[in-house]
Amino acid sequence: GENVEQHPSTLSVQEGDSAVIKCTYSDSASNYFPWYKQELGKRPQLIIDIRSNVGEKKDQRIAVTLNKTAKHFSLHITETQPEDSAVYFCAASRGDILTGGGNKLTFGTGTQLKVEL
Amino acid sequence: DGGITQSPKYLFRKEGQNVTLSCEQNLNHDAMYWYRQDPGQGLRLIYYSQIVNDFQKGDIAEGYSVSREKKESFPLTVTSAQKNPTAFYLCASSRGRGGRNEQFFGPGTRLTVL
Repeated sequence: GENVEQHPSTLSVQEGDSAVIKCTYSDSASNYFPWYKQELGKRPQLIIDIRSNVGEKKDQRIAVTLNKTAKHFSLHITETQPEDSAVYFCAASRGDILTGGGNKLTFGTGTQLKVEL
Repeated sequence: DGGITQSPKYLFRKEGQNVTLSCEQNLNHDAMYWYRQDPGQGLRLIYYSQIVNDFQKGDIAEGYSVSREKKESFPLTVTSAQKNPTAFYLCASSRGRGGRNEQFFGPGTRLTVL
């Protein structure tokens, strides 16, 4: 089965700096890679996702890059703010890109990001 | 945050008791999932269902059971066979085949065994 490793487990940055979280996956057939943000005591929420037919995707201060050859993908947050403090999870799944959905996700173990003032 | 609900928010169980966690969604999603979250271990898949009346074991199904009799409901039973049931349980749903992969999560149930 799929195995997803995530690093680092904790990350502390100064407000305004960039943060990078990295994940590797084992199943070369995986083709969907979402990132979730979970604030303390709350449910995980999708912040960005990428499919294997693209190498990079951006949404304002957040970007995700994917290297299929090396089987790793990364989350980049620029100009970090205190409200970015949370646990971030990467995940991977395999499914039909055309028909999409309904496939199980394998999650990384999470990164606790702390943005300090 | 609406669309997928879980109840109760907190649940306490004595050892040897079975308990059932509720998960309901009104998003018309075909697929539903149950995850267990423990500190430092991320989310681990217990069971998932891609369509009504069908479900598959996830990575840590032992000691758990599910049913999917209705599209909108996917209850999880934690049985006495689960040796370490204290955890945060999250239910999720997604459109299923033909839709986006995005999974939407419920608010979770925190189960504590006394």
